[in-house]
Amino acid sequence: DTGVSQNPRHKITKRGQNVTFRCDPISEHNRLYWYRQTLGQGPEFLTYFQNEAQLEKSRLLSDRFSAERPKGSFSTLEIQRTEQGDSAMYLCASSFSRGQETQYFGPGTRLLVL
Amino acid sequence: GESVGLHLPTLSVQEGDNSIINCAYSNSASDYFIWYKQESGKGPQFIIDIRSNMDKRQGQRVTVLLNKTVKHLSLQIAATQPGDSAVYFCAENTMAGGTSYGKLTFGQGTILTVHP
Repeated sequence: DTGVSQNPRHKITKRGQNVTFRCDPISEHNRLYWYRQTLGQGPEFLTYFQNEAQLEKSRLLSDRFSAERPKGSFSTLEIQRTEQGDSAMYLCASSFSRGQETQYFGPGTRLLVL
Repeated sequence: GESVGLHLPTLSVQEGDNSIINCAYSNSASDYFIWYKQESGKGPQFIIDIRSNMDKRQGQRVTVLLNKTVKHLSLQIAATQPGDSAVYFCAENTMAGGTSYGKLTFGQGTILTVHP
């Protein structure tokens, strides 16, 4: 499968715990995006990278959230001290930065905070 | 703030009928629009896109129409099949910094149900 992959697919955690999600983009893509989606809503932008550089962060990305893309390939999204309101689907997408800029999404990581 | 929204939250059609899903956007600077299909438990799947210098684009069984005057776009699905049942989102993108596109802004979504 040469699409965007995300791990884990599901995560259940207790409030206050830290969680980390991983995204592997389509290999040729230099841009990687993180979105969050709650039930019945469209995805909401969190942050994105071009190569290793984090170019934009949403106001939704509180200081408990941190994302990295150290080698310009895979990315991780960490949530510290999780809260029940963090329960959502976390989606990753990737694209080229020029030319064909269509964003292709992974299957998502569904987080449930108890 | 600026947003992309949908007129109809649900649409129910019979197999073989044509479906039309509508989307209104409010950001006049938007210049790139995309339709995604999302099945339960899966990530959004790209269907078709259109740039603001076009008013119509066709794909396989799908057509997107863009009316910039009234800030409206629609997705037409011909000969709708049960496998088309999903949530459909329109998304908007804007040239960031005049060089490339950045984040997508999504609408709420329309649930399409196709009855056999």
